Amino acid sequence: RKEVEQDPGPFNVPEGATVAFNCTYSNSASQSFFWYRQDCRKEPKLLMSVYSSGNEDGRFTAQLNRASQYISLLIRDSKLSDSATYLCVVFNAGGTSYGKLTFGQGTILTVHP
Amino acid sequence: GAGVSQSPSNKVTEKGKDVELRCDPISGHTALYWYRQSLGQGLEFLIYFQGNSAPDKSGLPSDRFSAERTGGSVSTLTIQRTQQEDSAVYLCASSLAVGDQFFGPGTRLTVL
Repeated sequence: RKEVEQDPGPFNVPEGATVAFNCTYSNSASQSFFWYRQDCRKEPKLLMSVYSSGNEDGRFTAQLNRASQYISLLIRDSKLSDSATYLCVVFNAGGTSYGKLTFGQGTILTVHP
Repeated sequence: GAGVSQSPSNKVTEKGKDVELRCDPISGHTALYWYRQSLGQGLEFLIYFQGNSAPDKSGLPSDRFSAERTGGSVSTLTIQRTQQEDSAVYLCASSLAVGDQFFGPGTRLTVL
């Protein structure tokens, strides 16, 4: 089983739609969680951290369920510029894995007019 | 300010040759990471440096791969006797805080 698994997508949605991505992680000791965004042929960039209480940044809402080891990202009112690959990322500290981020395979989102 | 830079941006080499990839992290970032990404695939962790030491080398795919970091700054990733399956984009990232990794533009390696 992969350490971080995501919906493979691709998701094709019209402008203005609401879309949700899911992610599960296998290590119950994982400490921190993030969503990164990667545009085509570009490097990944941090989109937002994911907190246990859930957090919102404009049109983006991230949720964490530690009991189910599940992370989600909700995008409201999709824009054409939201088209990208969204990477679920898990941080594990301690032992030889100190400081290691594990990236999911990514979910491709295409927003069309 | 300056971000993470990598060189070369593109490298085409023949099978069996050695290549050296360079990463200049953001000044003051103590943590440095190397990943590789094959076409259409996710990021594969290779190695992590904290300062000049590498507490986690678990991702290096074979003993043909090595990396070093000097002065707590610049890092080089060396691939000896390159194989076609080494073709990928090699990404370097640096960070000061957990999770907030800043990535360089990557080196696209093609092994013919």
